[in-house]
Amino acid sequence: GQNIDQPTEMTATEGAIVQINCTYQTSGFNGLFWYQQHAGEAPTFLSYNVLDGLEEKGRFSSFLSRSKGYSYLLLKELQMKDSASYLCAVIDSNYQLIWGAGTKLIIKP
Amino acid sequence: ETGVTQTPRHLVMGMTNKKSLKCEQHLGHNAMYWYKQSAKKPLELMFVYSLEERVENNSVPSRFSPECPNSSHLFLHLHTLQPEDSALYLCASSPSSGGVDTQYFGPGTRLTVL
Repeated sequence: GQNIDQPTEMTATEGAIVQINCTYQTSGFNGLFWYQQHAGEAPTFLSYNVLDGLEEKGRFSSFLSRSKGYSYLLLKELQMKDSASYLCAVIDSNYQLIWGAGTKLIIKP
Repeated sequence: ETGVTQTPRHLVMGMTNKKSLKCEQHLGHNAMYWYKQSAKKPLELMFVYSLEERVENNSVPSRFSPECPNSSHLFLHLHTLQPEDSALYLCASSPSSGGVDTQYFGPGTRLTVL
C-alpha cells in the first residue's frame, strides 16, 4: 500500500527553528508538496520538490531525498502565525496525489 | 472574489435532509476536486472533474452526488447522510487534472450530521 508518515503534533518556541519530517512509501514518485493549513482555513501551497536537495523560500525551506523516501520542511525564526497544520503530499507514478495526515505545529511564546 | 470560494461555511443537517455544497473557482482552471477531511486523517479524494467531465470517483457512497455544470462551478449534493459523514469538505481546483499542477483549495464546509 501507499503511505505517508508525519508526526501528529509538534511544539516549538517563537523565534526558534523547527523541522517537520515526512517519509513516504509510494508506487513511484513524481514530486512532493508541502501545504500549510490554519485552523478553519484552506490549505495553501508552500513548496514543491521533485529533485533531491534543499529549496529555500524565505523563512521556509523544503528538503527532499528520493533515495530515502524522505522530506522535511524547515521553518526558521518562528512566528506565532506559523501555528498551523502542515500537510505533506506525494505524486505517485499514476499522478495521483497521496496525502499525509498532517502535522499540527504549536508555537509557544 | 478571487481564488476558490465555498458555501456554506458551516452546515448542520439531519440524516433525512437534502442539502448541497457549492464551490466556485475564479482562477480559470480546468480541473476541480472534492475532498473529505476528517480529524487526524489524510485528505480523502472523493471526485475529480476535468473540463466538466467526471474523471475520478473514489468509491464514494451514492448518498454523495457531484455536479459540475461548468468549469467554474462544482456542487456536492447530499442525501440521507450518516453521522460518520461529519467532516470538513474541501473543494480545490488546478490548471489541469493529474500531472503535477498545484491545487488551490477553498476554505471548506464544516458539515455536521445529526
